[in-house]
Amino acid sequence: AQSVTQLGSHVSVSEGALVLLRCNYSSSVPPYLFWYVQYPNQGLQLLLKYTTGATLVKGINGFEAEFKKSETSFHLTKPSAHMSDAAEYFCAVIPDTGRRALTFGSGTRLQVQP
Amino acid sequence: GAGVSQSPSNKVTEKGKDVELRCDPISGHTALYWYRQSLGQGLEFLIYFQGNSAPDKSGLPSDRFSAERTGGSVSTLTIQRTQQEDSAVYLCASSPPSGGGYEQYFGPGTRLTVT
Repeated sequence: AQSVTQLGSHVSVSEGALVLLRCNYSSSVPPYLFWYVQYPNQGLQLLLKYTTGATLVKGINGFEAEFKKSETSFHLTKPSAHMSDAAEYFCAVIPDTGRRALTFGSGTRLQVQP
Repeated sequence: GAGVSQSPSNKVTEKGKDVELRCDPISGHTALYWYRQSLGQGLEFLIYFQGNSAPDKSGLPSDRFSAERTGGSVSTLTIQRTQQEDSAVYLCASSPPSGGGYEQYFGPGTRLTVT
């Protein structure tokens, strides 16, 4: 079964510092990978996705992620954190089996310190 | 344009009562999904509708849960004889027909509290 592991349930960075949120997936075939962000009391917003093609994908709000098949990873990065980036971030996967339900990681709460 | 909308935004109900949660997907989106978000279980898939195909119900946790999608648009998730463990935020998402339908756009959710 497909699973997603997010290392670190809480990450704290200083404003202006690099953001790195880790995601690893288990799959025998390359899946489709996503990062979503959830602000307090709101639904999930798609940050970026990887389906095929270029392994470095750019998303909204200055975030990007790199699909590394050899490491089964899809880590999310942002060069310089803003206070407004404080939220919960979820990595998710859809295996290419025709079943389109997202399997989510447990989430990482990002705190940005002034 | 309008996003996915859900109603009600909050619902408090007594144990044993039935509840209905509604989802209006983005116009033109052919796929619709229900997920549940709870403290103990994280984000879980419940059910998936694609066009006129039979829904994928593999994520429904018990036979007290059911969902329908009328006219290929609005969907209702029904929970019968609610239990306290049903307390969660229920999220609906929809996908467009293009691009393989892999991007899912989420509504704000319905927070269900069973007392």
